[in-house]
Amino acid sequence: DPKIIQKPKYLVAVTGSEKILICEQYLGHNAMYWYRQSAKKPLEFMFSYSYQKLMDNQTASSRFQPQSSKKNHLDLQITALKPDDSATYFCASSQDLGGRAETLYFGSGTRLTVL
Amino acid sequence: AQKVTQTQTSISVMEKTTVTMDCVYETQDSSYFLFWYKQTASGEIVFLIRQDSYKKENATVGHYSLNFQKPKSSIGLIITATQIEDSAVYFCAMSPLSGSFNKLTFGAGTRLAVCP
Repeated sequence: DPKIIQKPKYLVAVTGSEKILICEQYLGHNAMYWYRQSAKKPLEFMFSYSYQKLMDNQTASSRFQPQSSKKNHLDLQITALKPDDSATYFCASSQDLGGRAETLYFGSGTRLTVL
Repeated sequence: AQKVTQTQTSISVMEKTTVTMDCVYETQDSSYFLFWYKQTASGEIVFLIRQDSYKKENATVGHYSLNFQKPKSSIGLIITATQIEDSAVYFCAMSPLSGSFNKLTFGAGTRLAVCP
């Protein structure tokens, strides 16, 4: 059974709309992340959370807003969607987020297409 | 800022042979962590192996091993006795020692095709 569940697997949206990408992890990890993979760029770090607290944000646009309702949930809300937002968004988790780099475990991704 | 470069876009090998995938990196940090991940055809990203920069011994896990050459800022992935199921895209990544919040910097990836 997958330990990190991302929903939906595929998502099609129109420009200007808003979508929420869901992520739940069942690894008992304390840290969660969002990464993005597009056709033009390699996997890019977006956000990191530890115990539901935002630790790092490398996303320039405020249109991307992570939401953590529970320790094992980290959703990603994207507003005012643009075609350039088309990418596969990966949720990941690690045991902790500390000084020693932890191994990341990735979900299967949500492929977002913005028309 | 850190940078990771994988110059090999794709590699094709015969089954049961050994393949090496290259990766060079740039960093201002004296200590850091290096990782290799594999992305399967289904899109799943799986951790393979890691090297802590302060360790001199090359990491080995199963049929994966690393060729870590710190003076050259190089971390090659070696897969021995390749299998068809090793066909995937392989990503090199790095993270600083501290204050990183596990912010991995990834390379562009090398696509490996293992042929029967």
